[in-house]
Amino acid sequence: QSALTQPASVSGSPGQSITISCTGTSSDVGGYNYVSWYQQHPGKAPKLMIYDVSNRPSGVSNRFSGSKSGNTASLTISGLQAEDEADYYCSSYTSSSTPIFGGGTKLTVL
Amino acid sequence: EVQLVESGGGLVKPGGSLRLSCAASGFTFSSYSMNWVRQAPGKGLEWVSSISSSSSYIYYADSVKGRFTISRDNAKNSLYLQMNSLRAEDTAVYYCARDKTQRDAFDIWGQGTMVTVSS
Repeated sequence: QSALTQPASVSGSPGQSITISCTGTSSDVGGYNYVSWYQQHPGKAPKLMIYDVSNRPSGVSNRFSGSKSGNTASLTISGLQAEDEADYYCSSYTSSSTPIFGGGTKLTVL
Repeated sequence: EVQLVESGGGLVKPGGSLRLSCAASGFTFSSYSMNWVRQAPGKGLEWVSSISSSSSYIYYADSVKGRFTISRDNAKNSLYLQMNSLRAEDTAVYYCARDKTQRDAFDIWGQGTMVTVSS
């Protein structure tokens, strides 16, 4: 099973909004509402930002939101801040009862 | 404090073995499915293996199937990964992670332990 497809990089200026896409198939993203998003700063462990497509864990800023349409899920970060600069990974539950990750997207805050 | 702490990483020769451990604290370990996720240097995240709360369901990535074995001891609040027949491509930081929803939402991660396979 191939990794979910994410853009390698995105960028935005402070205060702007950006969206990161995550494309899979009907056997993963499109088949289940179990998409998660993770933020990872250099040298740190990943942090769960969104789960079940659009749910935020306690403590995660409401500037982070998730959505899904067909086989593509999206993470939107509004009011971009310098601290948002990090790598972002999507993941999805699959028909094999196992998860699959995206290749990761490097977010640069200009 | 809810916490996962991995240990057991190190340098091993190709074909060798290593056993990783993950100690859980601050939550009811026996209620959660647990996972191992790895990240090769400069690369993305790769799911490795998962085990259900009672060890009834165990899954592996194709890349490690037949070589790695996941297990847990709920009495000791511990998760394990026995890694045999190690290859250079297994070199990575290995994280243990708690599944919040039983549908692969990993809400608690350890700090990771580095495994280097090299002669």
